[in-house]
Amino acid sequence: DIQMTQSPSSLSASVGDRVTITCQASQDIRDYLNWYQQKPGKAPKLLIYDVSNLETGVPSRFSGSGSGTDFTFTISSLQPEDIATYSCQQYANLPLTFGGGTKVEIK
Amino acid sequence: EVQLVASGGGLVQPGGSLRLSCAASGFIFSSYEMNWVRQAPGKGLEWLSYIGSGGTPIYYADSVKGRFTISRDNAKNSLYLQMTSLRADDTAVYYCARESNRRENTFDYWGQGTLVTVSS
Repeated sequence: DIQMTQSPSSLSASVGDRVTITCQASQDIRDYLNWYQQKPGKAPKLLIYDVSNLETGVPSRFSGSGSGTDFTFTISSLQPEDIATYSCQQYANLPLTFGGGTKVEIK
Repeated sequence: EVQLVASGGGLVQPGGSLRLSCAASGFIFSSYEMNWVRQAPGKGLEWLSYIGSGGTPIYYADSVKGRFTISRDNAKNSLYLQMTSLRADDTAVYYCARESNRRENTFDYWGQGTLVTVSS
C-alpha cells in the first residue's frame, strides 16, 4: 500500500498568513493526488484534483503543487472560514489512501 | 442538487452485523461509480470499498475484505454496505462518496456520514 505522510499534523496561524502543508508519498504517484477540506462535523469536500487543479467554486487562495512523491498545499491568505482539516489522497494505486490530515486553526 | 444521505449506523456488539444505506438524489445514480470511506474517531480517512456503476467491478481494502460487502440498487438509487463480524476498530463515521465521472478515483460528493459504534 502507498503510505501518505502529511505534515504538520496541526498548525495555528493568523488571518492573512500563508499556510503550507506537505504530503509525501511512500512511492512515486506521478500526479495522482487530490486535496480535501473537512470542516468540523462535516463531510470532506474536494478542493484540488490532479495536484494543482481547483475544483469549481474553490477560491483561488488555495493551490497545490508537486509531483512524484512530494506535494504541497498552500493557502495564500488564511481566512476564518478556512478552519478545517486538510487531507491529501493518492489514487495511483488501490487501495486509495489518505494522509493523516492537517488541522488548521486560527491563532 | 446532488445529495447523498447515509443511514443505518448505530451501536452494535462485537461480532455483530449492520447494513448501511446511502440514498442518492440529484444525479443519474446509475452512471456513477460509488465508494465507502470511513473515519475512526480522531483519525484520518480510510477508503473501504468501490463499486462500478453497473455493480461491477468491486474492490475492497484488506481491512474489510471478507467481512464487508458493497452493493447497489440502481432502480432505488441506493448504495449499501453490509458489515459482518464487526470489531471495535470498525468504530467510525462511514461516508458514501460519489466518484467523479471526469476524474477517476476522485470523490466529488460525499454523504454526511453515519456513525457506527462497535462496543459491548
